[in-house]
Amino acid sequence: ETGVTQSPTHLIKTRGQQVTLRCSSQSGHNTVSWYQQALGQGPQFIFQYYREEENGRGNFPPRFSGLQFPNYSSELNVNALELDDSALYLCASSFGGRALNTEAFFGQGTRLTVV
Amino acid sequence: DQQVKQNSPSLSVQEGRISILNCDYTNSMFDYFLWYKKYPAEGPTFLISISSIKDKNEDGRFTVFLNKSAKHLSLHIVPSQPGDSAVYFCAASSNAGGTSYGKLTFGQGTILTVHP
Repeated sequence: ETGVTQSPTHLIKTRGQQVTLRCSSQSGHNTVSWYQQALGQGPQFIFQYYREEENGRGNFPPRFSGLQFPNYSSELNVNALELDDSALYLCASSFGGRALNTEAFFGQGTRLTVV
Repeated sequence: DQQVKQNSPSLSVQEGRISILNCDYTNSMFDYFLWYKKYPAEGPTFLISISSIKDKNEDGRFTVFLNKSAKHLSLHIVPSQPGDSAVYFCAASSNAGGTSYGKLTFGQGTILTVHP
């Protein structure tokens, strides 16, 4: 059983640039959620993808967008990077989409630094 | 609007003693609660969960208690071990109206240090 993997593990970008983060979900899981964790805070929900469609979104601007692929892997794209986007980005996979009451399994995260 | 709060940023406990981590929530629609543990440079790892139809769930050294009237839950670790030293997050979700998409709302985390 493969776990959730994210790439890259660390990334440095300049303000105004665009970034793409990737996530491979755990085997058997069809739902991927993305979270942003700022320093000293808990993870904040960005959005979720279920069966290749966005299935809910948190309080993040449209420059945060995503994709889910037929193999259930996912990408998080952030345009026009701002300094406040510097954070740990976590991907979580789970099964069930709307009926979720199962535990989400997290990847190790991508540390994004915007300078 | 912090719907899930962990008011203790840190907790220090002696090995072998009980660790009690607390969490409060404000949204009465939350019906499922989870605890995650996080080591540095790793993602959060699921520990234990509880549905709102229960008031206690136990798994080995870990027990979660839920007091719905007080909107409060706690995680008890007995006995505490040095390897338990990590950041602990409580999280909540809601399936109200069948429209939940499994969004987890997290608290800010509590740093637990267990001293040998």
